This record gives sequence, structure tokens and C-alpha cells, in this order.
Amino acid sequence: QQPVQSPQAVILREGEDAVINCSSSKALYSVHWYRQKHGEAPVFLMILLKGGEQKGHEKISASFNEKKQQSSLYLTASQLSYSGTYFCGTRGDSGGGADGLTFGKGTHLIIQP
Amino acid sequence: DAGVIQSPRHEVTEMGQEVTLRCKPISGHDYLFWYRQTMMRGLELLIYFNNNVPIDDSGMPEDRFSAKMPNASFSTLKIQPSEPRDSAVYFCASSHPGHHTEAFFGQGTRLTVV
Repeated sequence: QQPVQSPQAVILREGEDAVINCSSSKALYSVHWYRQKHGEAPVFLMILLKGGEQKGHEKISASFNEKKQQSSLYLTASQLSYSGTYFCGTRGDSGGGADGLTFGKGTHLIIQP
Repeated sequence: DAGVIQSPRHEVTEMGQEVTLRCKPISGHDYLFWYRQTMMRGLELLIYFNNNVPIDDSGMPEDRFSAKMPNASFSTLKIQPSEPRDSAVYFCASSHPGHHTEAFFGQGTRLTVV
């Protein structure tokens, strides 16, 4: 099943913070976050494995709550370059292999000067 | 490495024609994925291969769609006959095995069926 992302769109001013949520109805092994700019391919941001870890990448970090089957992406002090569509991709807890990611419909993030 | 290479970048074809999309994965990657992206449905997994063998094709929408991977460095996605509703951006991605590995996406093929 496709994970559900919220919000669908966010408009921020440069320097403001944002949180993007990803929720699944099935048990997850991992959550993957990607960013896609218009007309380009999705680009990998980070992977979170079950265990409730939190990761950071400069001013972008994420958490994964395996019990709630939810992940959140945090963007702090947003920059103009953060604009784009953010996708979460999930892999089920079925074990073995590297089955294909199931992506949410994306969250459109617009950063204004 | 040049990354995942897809061709053509753009394809415009008439309804009923056969369309073949091509993908060259990153050397050494064991997994290859085909995705379709539309505004309505987002990124959908169509099929993926492991060591050139199709593992899951449950996302292939109809029998009109077929995919092959004759060797580790080449895959094709074929649509025959094509229909206007097939218009989308088709991405190919490759990765090493494992739940903790990232998928590297190609630049995509924008298909328009008129």
C-alpha cells in the first residue's frame, strides 16, 4: 500500500522550518526520503531503518517510529535550494532482498525569499 | 560512473504504436527498478529485477507492458500497443541489494502518446 504523506504542499519563507510526515498502514523495515526538483530525477536524501533512529543531513533530519509506522522529515532554517517535491519511500518488513520502494504522492515545498 | 542512463529522454508517439524505453544501470548494481510517474498517481513501481531476473512485476498495469533484462548492463520496457493514458515519465533506478541501500535514478523518459 502506498504511504500517505502530509501536508500535500507547503509554502515557506526562507529561514522557516518545515515538517513532512509519512505514514504507512503496514509494518515497515525502512523509510527512504528523496527530493525531486521539477524536470529532474528523484535524489536520495537519507534512509532510516527500524529501530527508531534519527538521522541528520546538514539542516535536514528525519525520524522513524516503527511502532507507529511513521516517519517525519525535518527541514530547519530552510534555504531556497530546498524547494522541490519530497517523497518518502517505504519497504515492508518482509525480510530479505531489496524489494522496490513504494512511494507516497509527495509533498510540494516552495521556499520564498 | 555516469550514473543510470536512460534513452530516449523524450518520446512522442501515436496511439497504437510500439514504444521501447531503454536503461543502463550503474555497473555493479544487482537490482534494477522501473517506475512510472504521473501527477495523479505519483511514483509507481512497475517491475524490478535482481541479477537480471524479474522478481516482482505486480505493478505492470496491463499485458501491453513488458520488460526484459537480457544482461546486467541493459534493460528495456516495452509498451505495445501504446495508449494516451500511458503518457508519463518513466524512470529506471538501480541499487545494491539490502534494505539500507539507496536507489539511484536515471533522468527519466518523458513519454507522450497522442
